[in-house]
Amino acid sequence: QITLEESGPTLVKPTQTLTLTCSFSGFSLTTGGVGVAWIRQPPGEALEWLGVIYWNDDKVYTPSLKSRVAISKDTSENQVVLTMTNMDPADTATYYCAYRRRSSDPWYGPWGQGTLVTVSS
Amino acid sequence: DIQLTQSPSTLSASVGDRVTITCRASQTMTPWLAWYQQKPGKPPKLLISKASTLESGVPSRFSGSGSGTEFTLTISGLQPDDFATYYCQQFYVHPHTFGQGTKLDIK
Repeated sequence: QITLEESGPTLVKPTQTLTLTCSFSGFSLTTGGVGVAWIRQPPGEALEWLGVIYWNDDKVYTPSLKSRVAISKDTSENQVVLTMTNMDPADTATYYCAYRRRSSDPWYGPWGQGTLVTVSS
Repeated sequence: DIQLTQSPSTLSASVGDRVTITCRASQTMTPWLAWYQQKPGKPPKLLISKASTLESGVPSRFSGSGSGTEFTLTISGLQPDDFATYYCQQFYVHPHTFGQGTKLDIK
């Protein structure tokens, strides 16, 4: 059974750096084709794709946030870390990580339950 | 980036109805499209992959179709559990963009 769980601060101040951890089980990020993606959703709004890290350490970020976002992995700990710098109130959202199974089957599922991050002074 | 436009944004329907949600892409991307269902306070759940493949455990009243730039999600015989928000997502190119969502509520 594949599970993912996001963890990190629930409140950050403007200009601070956010660090979220996605801890997963049931798969290995060393398996060919596998990836973990980050998606966020502001309250009452649509889903926004942030980026993805693949088994071979390739990373892709959404262009609008590319200068602020970084994703890394720790395969020994089964964790993926999202870092977002210079946080702004507009970054208030529920942040999700999701499993991507393989290159020929790239859809996301399952997802973690999400963690709500509020940006406020 | 590929832009995905869902229509309608909101859809009111009754139990037993047949409803269709459309996802239009700014460029052709067959068949790299998925549909998700999201309920309040919950993460999205994958319903359909590769435009028309039903995920394991998803009721057969859900179906997907389409090609090129136009894709549809159809629910035949709405059940109370189906009232939720639905999103399409493309996997043709990075970034893997989402549609803006369609909220299906009870009439």
